Amino acid sequence: QSALTQPPSASGSPGQSVTISCTGTSSDIGNYNYVSWYQQHPGKAPKLMIYEVSKRPSGVPDRFSGSKSGNTASLTVSGLQAEDEADYYCSSYGGSSNWVFGGGTKLTVL
Amino acid sequence: QVQLVESGGGLVKPGGSLRLSCAASGFTFSDYYMSWIRQAPGKGLEWVSYIVSSGNFIYYPDSMKGRFTVSRDNAKNSLYVQLSSLRPEDTAVYYCARGAAAGSVPSFFDYWGQGTLVTVSS
Repeated sequence: QSALTQPPSASGSPGQSVTISCTGTSSDIGNYNYVSWYQQHPGKAPKLMIYEVSKRPSGVPDRFSGSKSGNTASLTVSGLQAEDEADYYCSSYGGSSNWVFGGGTKLTVL
Repeated sequence: QVQLVESGGGLVKPGGSLRLSCAASGFTFSDYYMSWIRQAPGKGLEWVSYIVSSGNFIYYPDSMKGRFTVSRDNAKNSLYVQLSSLRPEDTAVYYCARGAAAGSVPSFFDYWGQGTLVTVSS
């Protein structure tokens, strides 16, 4: 199972919106609505931000949203804030009891 | 609140073995699937294993089958992984993470521990 493809970096100014893409295949993202997104600050554990493509866990600001089209999922962060600066990872169920992660995207708030 | 605390990491020589533990609290451990996920220094996340709530079914990526053995003790609210035939490329922080509730679709990992570092070096 190959890793999902994410851009290594993304950036935006405070208040702006930024979208991070996550490209998989018809075996994972394209076949299941089981895409999740995780935020990781340096030295910290990952935190679930989005699950099942577009659902937000309790406590996650509605500035974070998710979507999917074909084999590509996206995470959009609106109204960027300084604390949003972190690494973001996508993940998808890949069938046959396998899970796959993306390589991560470093989000910089300028 | 949900807490996951890993332990057992350390320095081990290539070819050696190590057993990691994850102590869970704040939820009914036996009602949830659990996973191990690792992160090499400066790298991304990599799924290591997934064990159902009963412990009867355990899944690994092909690259880790045969070297890693996951188990759980629901009476002790604990998850384990036995790492064997370790290689330098197994150097990583190993996280335990909570998966879906039993009977649900295992679609995400909602709570993670702080991780334990395993370093494989001579």
